Amino acid sequence: GIQVEQSPPDLILQEGANSTLRCNFSDSVNNLQWFHQNPWGQLINLFYIPSGTKQNGRLSATTVATERYSLLYISSSQTTDSGVYFCAVDAGKSTFGDGTTLTVKP
Amino acid sequence: EAGVAQSPRYKIIEKRQSVAFWCNPISGHATLYWYQQILGQGPKLLIQFQNNGVVDDSQLPKDRFSAERLKGVDSTLKIQPAKLEDSAVYLCASSWTVGEQFFGPGTRLTVL
Repeated sequence: GIQVEQSPPDLILQEGANSTLRCNFSDSVNNLQWFHQNPWGQLINLFYIPSGTKQNGRLSATTVATERYSLLYISSSQTTDSGVYFCAVDAGKSTFGDGTTLTVKP
Repeated sequence: EAGVAQSPRYKIIEKRQSVAFWCNPISGHATLYWYQQILGQGPKLLIQFQNNGVVDDSQLPKDRFSAERLKGVDSTLKIQPAKLEDSAVYLCASSWTVGEQFFGPGTRLTVL
């Protein structure tokens, strides 16, 4: 089956810093989503982005489907951005990566 | 618009007991997913329904896990008998067909 790798596994930032999270996948996909899992375990939809670039406030995402990767950018990070960020792809079956754990320190 | 509903939110059982989880998807969503999320890992797809038919259940441990979606709306996931390694969060998600998924709050299962 398809492999989904996220990097880095852990990231610690000071408030106000910028960061880039990466998601690599091993085969062509029909769609790709980015989620933020909050401390209570709820998965929050960030982007549905099979290809191209989208922006929502301080967050943006780019998927280059032909090169099999997606990037999530977080600018001017805040403590509330802390949590686990997941990439999920669909290549006939939904597959998640193991996530990037982001800690933003005040 | 109401989100995906799941119950119960928490469940503690002893090994070899049985347990059932319920999920009600977003109204009109044809596709329903059940995932298992073990601590420190990403969610793993257990079963995917399109209306009341199974699209994929390749990662469902069928000797102990079962799921149904009888009327193409809500769904039940059952574990019988439970093992210690089944301790996890069970997540339900739904989408229109194949597309953007929306998740419920999950059920945290502890098997003692």
